[in-house]
Amino acid sequence: KAGVTQTPRYLIKTRGQQVTLSCSPISGHRSVSWYQQTPGQGLQFLFEYFSETQRNKGNFPGRFSGRQFSNSRSEMNVSTLELGDSALYLCASSLGRLGTQYFGPGTRLLVL
Amino acid sequence: SQQGEEDPQALSIQEGENATMNCSYKTSINNLQWYRQNSGRGLVHLILIRSNEREKHSGRLRVTLDTSKKSSSLLITASRAADTASYFCATDNNNDMRFGAGTRLTVKP
Repeated sequence: KAGVTQTPRYLIKTRGQQVTLSCSPISGHRSVSWYQQTPGQGLQFLFEYFSETQRNKGNFPGRFSGRQFSNSRSEMNVSTLELGDSALYLCASSLGRLGTQYFGPGTRLLVL
Repeated sequence: SQQGEEDPQALSIQEGENATMNCSYKTSINNLQWYRQNSGRGLVHLILIRSNEREKHSGRLRVTLDTSKKSSSLLITASRAADTASYFCATDNNNDMRFGAGTRLTVKP
């Protein structure tokens, strides 16, 4: 089976812009979770989607949003980018809710 | 916020030695998982131990779980240079998954 794919792999944006990241889970996986990884804060849980519904959300401002489509693909959006949003954004999929997570390679976002 | 805390933050050993990393957490859990991350890439799942299990093995990996102390340890035996990576514990409390800050392991050839 193909692994989790994330696009784009690298992205440079400027403050105030918005960005959309995409994640395609492993075929058959219905749960997609998003994480932000920074040197200072480590791996922070953003949100989890299961069957097109957001099941849980981490402690992030409303500028961070996401959605999941009927084919389980997911997108996350960050509006009004800030310098502190520079991070590696990781997507993970699993068969059911939570459980063993299979991670994609990540999207490295740099905000200038 | 993070749930688990790994200890030590960094560990440097020689090839062939054993490496032990510890993880402590705060709330009750459904299971605890360990992941490895090579230099800024995605995480790779290593092993999952359920809350009613005390020890689990997978190849050169041995994981223990003590729910009374809310702690877990990961032992890598006969380490190799390829084991150089960051190791994270993650707790699943049926609500969400929380990762610790990680232990950076360096195995010198």
